[in-house]
Amino acid sequence: QQKVQQSPESLIVPEGGMASLNCTFSDRNSQYFWWYRQHSGEGPKALMSIFSNGDKKEGRFTAHLNKASLYVSLHIKDSQPSDSALYFCAGASSGSWQLIFGSGTQLTVMP
Amino acid sequence: ETAVFQTPNYHVTQVGNEVSFNCKQTLGHDTMYWYKQDSKKLLKIMFSYNNKQLIVNETVPRRFSPQSSDKAHLNLRIKSVEPEDSAVYLCASSLGQGRNTLYFGAGTRLSVL
Repeated sequence: QQKVQQSPESLIVPEGGMASLNCTFSDRNSQYFWWYRQHSGEGPKALMSIFSNGDKKEGRFTAHLNKASLYVSLHIKDSQPSDSALYFCAGASSGSWQLIFGSGTQLTVMP
Repeated sequence: ETAVFQTPNYHVTQVGNEVSFNCKQTLGHDTMYWYKQDSKKLLKIMFSYNNKQLIVNETVPRRFSPQSSDKAHLNLRIKSVEPEDSAVYLCASSLGQGRNTLYFGAGTRLSVL
């Protein structure tokens, strides 16, 4: 059974600051990774997917993947109060029916 | 833009009752899921279903059962609820499995008294 270590559990950054979130997966068959964001009272929404080694940038968000160490990270540049939410990493293997989620990082951006 | 619709938003019931939650997706996806989000916000897969196959997470108690009329609908029935069933139940859909992004509804919050 896939285990996912996500850190930190909670993170407070000032508006305009950088937020960094991390995950490590245990299943060597993991190939596909996502970051999801969940605002209070809503369902999780996919923020970014990353399937290849290296960095992927979308606006203020940069995801990083190292497949050898099964490590993914998310960096949020110029954080905004609207970025305050619960962030999950998630991973799946090829053809798998299961998307396994990390335990979440509660991000608070202080104005 | 919401494309996965869940009803009801909230449901309060007593131990031993039967409850049923509805989910509909308008994305044209062929695979739907139910996840449980507990009080610590952990997300656990319960079921995956497409028009060919139902896959059940072996840890899900047998009182839970998914029900589908077509590929756009996947309901969840709980026979005889127990206190530990109090949680948010999230429905999701995707185009196939593996490398396909899941799209979630807003969830149904169940409170068992």
